[in-house]
Amino acid sequence: DQQVKQNSPSLSVQEGRISILNCDYTNSMFDYFLWYKKYPAEGPTFLISISSIKDKNEDGRFTVFLNKSAKHLSLHIVPSQPGDSAVYFCAASDLIQGAQKLVFGQGTRLTINP
Amino acid sequence: SAVISQKPSRDICQRGTSLTIQCQVDSQVTMMFWYRQQPGQSLTLIATANQGSEATYESGFVIDKFPISRPNLTFSTLTVSNMSPEDSSIYLCSVEEGTNTEAFFGQGTRLTVV
Repeated sequence: DQQVKQNSPSLSVQEGRISILNCDYTNSMFDYFLWYKKYPAEGPTFLISISSIKDKNEDGRFTVFLNKSAKHLSLHIVPSQPGDSAVYFCAASDLIQGAQKLVFGQGTRLTINP
Repeated sequence: SAVISQKPSRDICQRGTSLTIQCQVDSQVTMMFWYRQQPGQSLTLIATANQGSEATYESGFVIDKFPISRPNLTFSTLTVSNMSPEDSSIYLCSVEEGTNTEAFFGQGTRLTVV
């Protein structure tokens, strides 16, 4: 039972354009969502998070959008840079348990082409 | 954020043997987590390790197979026992930090069982 799904295993975007990574979840108890970036041979690095009381959170080039009714979130990166090439994981939890019960999606490999 | 160091970074092991992975944090943390990422899969939580108490294992993971130690607030070990090729994965430790309870990860241990 995959509670967090990233249906696109890979995405290729031209440098300077917008990258949009999508994530769907099924558990309505989730109220806290995170995005992580992972380079090869490194652990995941926290990027940005959003709680269910918001529908948007922005940090520099990264914006996360949450659509609770659709149980869908997305990460927008604009403008995309070659250093953004990595695997991106979305994760979900609830604010009570926080990092204790993170459920991850399968990841999307983003490639930024010069 | 905390600096998390894992040893070894990678290993190739014979089936039937055991490997102990170490995780060192540069600050005291209450909770440490162990994850597994099988090839092409998402990160899956194995167990939560609290100092001074038994680790709490997630469904599908048992102490006999993945014994965990947490002798103090900066260190934990995960042992993968009686290994089989199906145990070939990346094993990651993480800690909870910050007011927003994000999880921060070590660089991971890439284990190959032959």
